[in-house]
Amino acid sequence: EAGVAQSPRYKIIEKRQSVAFWCNPISGHATLYWYQQILGQGPKLLIQFQNNGVVDDSQLPKDRFSAERLKGVDSTLKIQPAKLEDSAVYLCASSIPSGPSYEQYFGPGTRLTVT
Amino acid sequence: SQKIEQNSEALNIQEGKTATLTCNYTNYSPAYLQWYRQDPGRGPVFLLLIRENEKEKRKERLKVTFDTTLKQSLFHITASQPADSATYLCALLGGSQGNLIFGKGTKLSVKP
Repeated sequence: EAGVAQSPRYKIIEKRQSVAFWCNPISGHATLYWYQQILGQGPKLLIQFQNNGVVDDSQLPKDRFSAERLKGVDSTLKIQPAKLEDSAVYLCASSIPSGPSYEQYFGPGTRLTVT
Repeated sequence: SQKIEQNSEALNIQEGKTATLTCNYTNYSPAYLQWYRQDPGRGPVFLLLIRENEKEKRKERLKVTFDTTLKQSLFHITASQPADSATYLCALLGGSQGNLIFGKGTKLSVKP
């Protein structure tokens, strides 16, 4: 089966600019996650969707970050305006809500550099 | 405060030896704990899940233990190979919505 797709793979922007990342989860996976992974750290959850509804966005900096999952499939994460500290890899993951191992399937990530 | 700690940032071992990675946590009571492998430039890949009522889980050369009294999980790779070199992340169910909380990871290097 095809894995989680993300684009772009790399993005360099200047601070105060805006950027958007796209994710296409594995077909049939109702749950979608966006994580931020800063160099040398583990992934940190930003937002979790169940179908097209938000389950948890408690760690999403809502003054600058937004995310949507229209039609319960693809998702877009946006940062506007970007700050230097937003430089990180943004990972998208998907899962079956009640899978036997609660396994999350990750995409390759988008590496964002803010200069 | 709640914390997840993986014993070291880096672990270097010789090929053929057993690698042991540690994950300690405080102020969580997770129903399960997972281990993931992450290679450079790639997303994490799921390896194993162990539940709070399980002491040990095995998969091929991998073994995971879970001690809820010590609040610790150990991850073992037996007969290690250079291809096992990667960063290994532990993750536990700990968020307000039952989300995964990840440790920082341990970078394992297996030398031939």
